[in-house]
Amino acid sequence: AQKVTQAQTEISVVEKEDVTLDCVYETRDTTYYLFWYKQPPSGELVFLIRRNSFDEQNEISGRYSWNFQKSTSSFNFTITASQVVDSAVYFCALSEGTTGGFKTIFGAGTRLFVKA
Amino acid sequence: GAVVSQHPSRVICKSGTSVKIECRSLDFQATTMFWYRQFPKQSLMLMATSNEGSKATYEQGVEKDKFLINHASLTLSTLTVTSAHPEDSSFYICSARDSILTREQETQYFGPGTRLLVL
Repeated sequence: AQKVTQAQTEISVVEKEDVTLDCVYETRDTTYYLFWYKQPPSGELVFLIRRNSFDEQNEISGRYSWNFQKSTSSFNFTITASQVVDSAVYFCALSEGTTGGFKTIFGAGTRLFVKA
Repeated sequence: GAVVSQHPSRVICKSGTSVKIECRSLDFQATTMFWYRQFPKQSLMLMATSNEGSKATYEQGVEKDKFLINHASLTLSTLTVTSAHPEDSSFYICSARDSILTREQETQYFGPGTRLLVL
């Protein structure tokens, strides 16, 4: 069965600090998809990234970067030079390619507080 | 980009009444839609998978007679909370898969959510 673990419940940083949000996943499929979403106080999910299991290249998008390590089943997310607007709940999610029926399972989420 | 809408955005109802929530894909067709529930400060929990033209598939522990799902067209799925009780108060979110995307292009588009408060 698929499972996503985000061990960090809450993280508090001061503006301009770098912060890494951890995500560890479990799946029996060889083809799967990993996601990160941001959920601001409004509640609407904001899609950040999708990573396919066969593509281990790390990705950078502005202040955001993702480190995908299949060997440790991890897909960590780093925000560089954090800003107050980054304050939100961040979810890591997993969708299995074959047995999962396209369902996406979410981790518990990490609440990030960025203080000015 | 693809947009998914939900209506209503928030609803308050009395205990015992039924509430219908609509999920629409606005610029794409979705043979599959998903319904999630999120309690305060918790994660999104998948309730069911809604398939156009067929019965929904419910996750373990979700009462299908209480949460009725209808996916009558390629752009609309509805979730009806029947005989709602205060413990059903939650944030309900739907998502939709674009039917023409391949698995490698897989992305779910999420609606803005519906806040349900049952008094």
